[in-house]
Amino acid sequence: EVQLVESGGGLVQPGGSLRLSCAASGFTVSSNYMSWVRQAPGKGLEWVSVIYSGGSTYYADSVKGRFTISRDNSKNTLYLQMNSLRAEDTAVYYCARVLGGATGRFQHWGQGTLVTVSS
Amino acid sequence: QSALTQPASVSGSPGQSITISCTGTSSDVGSYNLVSWYQQHPGKAPKLMIYEGSKRPSGVSNRFSGSKSGNTASLTISGLQAEDEADYYCCSYAGSSTNWVFGGGTKLTVL
Repeated sequence: EVQLVESGGGLVQPGGSLRLSCAASGFTVSSNYMSWVRQAPGKGLEWVSVIYSGGSTYYADSVKGRFTISRDNSKNTLYLQMNSLRAEDTAVYYCARVLGGATGRFQHWGQGTLVTVSS
Repeated sequence: QSALTQPASVSGSPGQSITISCTGTSSDVGSYNLVSWYQQHPGKAPKLMIYEGSKRPSGVSNRFSGSKSGNTASLTISGLQAEDEADYYCCSYAGSSTNWVFGGGTKLTVL
């Protein structure tokens, strides 16, 4: 059974940093396209970042230069390093397994982890 | 890249059919047959319901169907049931520089 479990969310001050983790089971992270999608409180979904199986990474303009997606193959875990955090980054962050390649769909989702950026 | 446009809310009675529209541009919905639809119940993670415009993942009821015409994609739910009450989001591939763009979401109320 495919399972994704996010962790690492919490309260952080503006300008601070946080690293989110997404532990996967039932499949191999390094063989798949993996993505982060976020949802601000009461708002819609927003794609954040993707890492291809080959290692290429891409970001939404809203986080480019501040966020870094990565993975640890030995731990079968996906990460999102978030720096220079802003109030508008406050959201539930979901990790998702992408099927269908670079143009695919978000097939499996974690339960999400809440990031709150506030002083 | 602007979000795709969805109606804020739709409603229907049990047993009826409803359709949710998702309007994009020639750079996303109109250029690719790569629209997906997600169902989200309050406090839960989204669930994939339709992908590549009209395909259903294993386990999704055939009451859910998708289509596209020009720059607008649609999700139709037939035989409405109480458990269908949720938020629905469309998503389209939008090219290699933007990757994916979501709609603003539609709240479905089953009367």
